[in-house]
Amino acid sequence: EPEVTQTPSHQVTQMGQEVILRCVPISNHLYFYWYRQILGQKVEFLVSFYNNEISEKSEIFDDQFSVERPDGSNFTLKIRSTKLEDSAMYFCASSNDARTNEKLFFGSGTQLSVL
Amino acid sequence: AQSVTQPDIHITVSEGASLELRCNYSYGATPYLFWYVQSPGQGLQLLLKYFSGDTLVQGIKGFEAEFKRSQSSFNLRKPSVHWSDAAEYFCAVGGKAGTALIFGKGTTLSVSS
Repeated sequence: EPEVTQTPSHQVTQMGQEVILRCVPISNHLYFYWYRQILGQKVEFLVSFYNNEISEKSEIFDDQFSVERPDGSNFTLKIRSTKLEDSAMYFCASSNDARTNEKLFFGSGTQLSVL
Repeated sequence: AQSVTQPDIHITVSEGASLELRCNYSYGATPYLFWYVQSPGQGLQLLLKYFSGDTLVQGIKGFEAEFKRSQSSFNLRKPSVHWSDAAEYFCAVGGKAGTALIFGKGTTLSVSS
């Protein structure tokens, strides 16, 4: 079965540093998403991306965050200057359903630890 | 405001016993409802979903859920729990493509022998 791949599985960084989280969505998918889960809290939507632009973003997704699809296969989330509260599990997801979130596939996540 | 409430943070069930995990939602339009499972170190796996039609939906691993519009609920059930079902379960509500899924805080299921 096709899957969404995220690298690295665990990233440790110093506060104030830039990090880039990488995702390879399923090859024929068109909608891409980032979610995050702070330890002990619920999974939160960050941003969705379609046709090379942001479709929707949450309040969490401020100017410190950006997303990019630099080539035909990767989808990245960049945090410009990390804060302690950015420590979380970050999930990438993708879908090829043009109508609904029915066929949303999640990656196994990148655990970001900001020290 | 759109929201999902999972009232139970942690549930322990004996192996072989039945299970019900509760989920209540608040959503302005017709909801699309989902249950996801997350095993330790794994991503989110879709168990089942409800979009329309029959209010009792079947999912993978022997799970089912019932949509009750009058109660704004979408409870997850399994008649006989296996030790491998121990995981975190998330209820979510969402809509059209490109929009956010709203997740509940999750329920951790422990299975005792």
